[in-house]
Amino acid sequence: QVQLQESGPGLVKPSETLSLTCTVSGGSIGSYYWSWIRQPAGKGLEWIGRIYASGSTNYNPSLKSRLIMSVDTSKNQFSLNLSSMTAADSAVYYCTRGVTTDLDNWGQGILVTVSS
Amino acid sequence: QSVLTQPPSASGTPGQRVTISCSGSSSNIGGYYVSWYQQLPGAAPRLLIYMNNQRPSGVPDRFSGSKSGTSASLAISGLRSEDEADYYCAAWDDSLSGYVVFGGGTKLTVL
Repeated sequence: QVQLQESGPGLVKPSETLSLTCTVSGGSIGSYYWSWIRQPAGKGLEWIGRIYASGSTNYNPSLKSRLIMSVDTSKNQFSLNLSSMTAADSAVYYCTRGVTTDLDNWGQGILVTVSS
Repeated sequence: QSVLTQPPSASGTPGQRVTISCSGSSSNIGGYYVSWYQQLPGAAPRLLIYMNNQRPSGVPDRFSGSKSGTSASLAISGLRSEDEADYYCAAWDDSLSGYVVFGGGTKLTVL
């Protein structure tokens, strides 16, 4: 059973860049799509973007100008960098596996708060 | 404002059958598979239905999905108290450069 674990800062200052990493264990990161989803407190799910093991990406159009995703197959990790953070970006961030909407494995989530 | 439209709430009594709707357009549900997720309080979402009506292993057959045109539905039969959760639909949307869209979620209460 593949397991995913998010890591990164729980607190980010406004205008700074959020960097999160997802470590995949129990299986190879190769030949799969990996996605990031976020959920503001008390609200619904928002798809951030996905990256294939080869490095090709698709991003949510609303976040595309601030978003960079990358993958490190040697470490079985993939990452998210979201710049110019504001309070509206405060949320629980999840990493997941799946091609599009068939997201069958999820990390436990990491709470990110944007505050000075 | 979510791209896919779900009712904010639904309810039923134990043993009942409940359905949750999800409405979209030709750029998402009308042309692509729909998935459904269950999110229990304080937990990560769990894939419940994929490819419109397929259940991952471990999901009880009380849960079923269907799609017609630009709408989809999740049905839960033999409702149980542990089914009380938030439910989300999702689909690929090919507008702009393509991305995944979610419904706003439906809070299911078991009375």
